[in-house]
Amino acid sequence: QKEVEQNSGPLSVPEGAIASLNCTYSDRGSQSFFWYRQYSGKSPELIMFIYSNGDKEDGRFTAQLNKASQYVSLLIRDSQPSDSATYLCAAPNQYTDKLIFGTGTRLQVFP
Amino acid sequence: DTGVSQDPRHKITKRGQNVTFRCDPISEHNRLYWYRQTLGQGPEFLTYFQNEAQLEKSRLLSDRFSAERPKGSFSTLEIQRTEQGDSAMYLCASSLDREVYNEQFFGPGTRLTVL
Repeated sequence: QKEVEQNSGPLSVPEGAIASLNCTYSDRGSQSFFWYRQYSGKSPELIMFIYSNGDKEDGRFTAQLNKASQYVSLLIRDSQPSDSATYLCAAPNQYTDKLIFGTGTRLQVFP
Repeated sequence: DTGVSQDPRHKITKRGQNVTFRCDPISEHNRLYWYRQTLGQGPEFLTYFQNEAQLEKSRLLSDRFSAERPKGSFSTLEIQRTEQGDSAMYLCASSLDREVYNEQFFGPGTRLTVL
């Protein structure tokens, strides 16, 4: 079992819809979780982090964490074509802070 | 622009040659990480430094790879006797050591192509 798992997609949603991206992790010691957005050919860009159970909102983005279920999600409201990218979920190793990444979910927002 | 810079942005080399990449982190960040990313995969950890000390190296980092961070500022990653399997995007990230969470900010990456 991979330490951080994501559905590779693509996830296709129409403009204006809510995109829901999901991630599961295996290390129960992980305390914080990060969502990165990566456009094709570019490097990852940090968009959200969360370390408490529940929801965290930032603009159109909401991160959700359920430590009991070892599940993290990212909701993007009012999706725009410019949101089309690969979204990477990452968790730090509990002993060091190296990030363990999932393979990423490719999101396509069509007009 | 995150404030992390990498040089060069692209490198094409022939198999067997040595290459060196440089990373300049955000100035107040004491941690610096190197990752490698291939197509369709998430970044994979290679090594990291806290100040000038190299604290961890991945098993991915064969003896052909070496990294340094003299004086705890910029870092270099050298690959000796490159192989075609080394072709990838090499990413540098930096962070400030925090107790609860550790946001890592990535540079633009160096894309290596080994012919």
